[in-house]
Amino acid sequence: ETGVTQSPTHLIKTRGQQVTLRCSSQSGHNTVSWYQQALGQGPQFIFQYYREEENGRGNFPPRFSGLQFPNYSSELNVNALELDDSALYLCASSLKGWETQYFGPGTRLLVL
Amino acid sequence: KNEVEQSPQNLTAQEGEFITINCSYSVGISALHWLQQHPGGGIVSLFMLSSGKKKHGRLIATINIQEKHSSLHITASHPRDSAVYICAVPAEDKLIFGTGTRLQVFP
Repeated sequence: ETGVTQSPTHLIKTRGQQVTLRCSSQSGHNTVSWYQQALGQGPQFIFQYYREEENGRGNFPPRFSGLQFPNYSSELNVNALELDDSALYLCASSLKGWETQYFGPGTRLLVL
Repeated sequence: KNEVEQSPQNLTAQEGEFITINCSYSVGISALHWLQQHPGGGIVSLFMLSSGKKKHGRLIATINIQEKHSSLHITASHPRDSAVYICAVPAEDKLIFGTGTRLQVFP
């Protein structure tokens, strides 16, 4: 059984660009959640997907969007990058909803 | 006022000491998560609990739903317990995180 994986591990972009981050859920998990963690801060919930549908969203603008695929892997897309988007982006999968969250190692995004 | 508050924010201890971290919340919840984050970013889920008490090794988590309060205890603390401990509560369709407690255990 493989754990949650994320790619890439690190990424540098410039302001205004678009970025796609990827997450592969733990086997058998149909729910994935995405979080943003700025340096020195706690995680902030971005959104959750359940069976390919958005199932909840935090206080993030529409330029943060996501997809979940039939194999339950998922993507986080951020358009029109801003400097404040620089953060660690974490995904977590669960069997269902807000049950135990299994976190990936994260993607560090730096926006210059 | 944050919907989920933790105390203390920072904690230092000598190896072997008993540690308590507290989490209070103001939203209605079905369960509460305790998470551990080591330097470098990886987050590990320690407990998810909706009532009573859970124990795993030297870690114990308790929750009082009526008082909207949970505690995480570490018995016989060790330097490898040094990390940030975060409580998180699902509320409606969001997961709300506490401010985190940074624990340093010295030999």
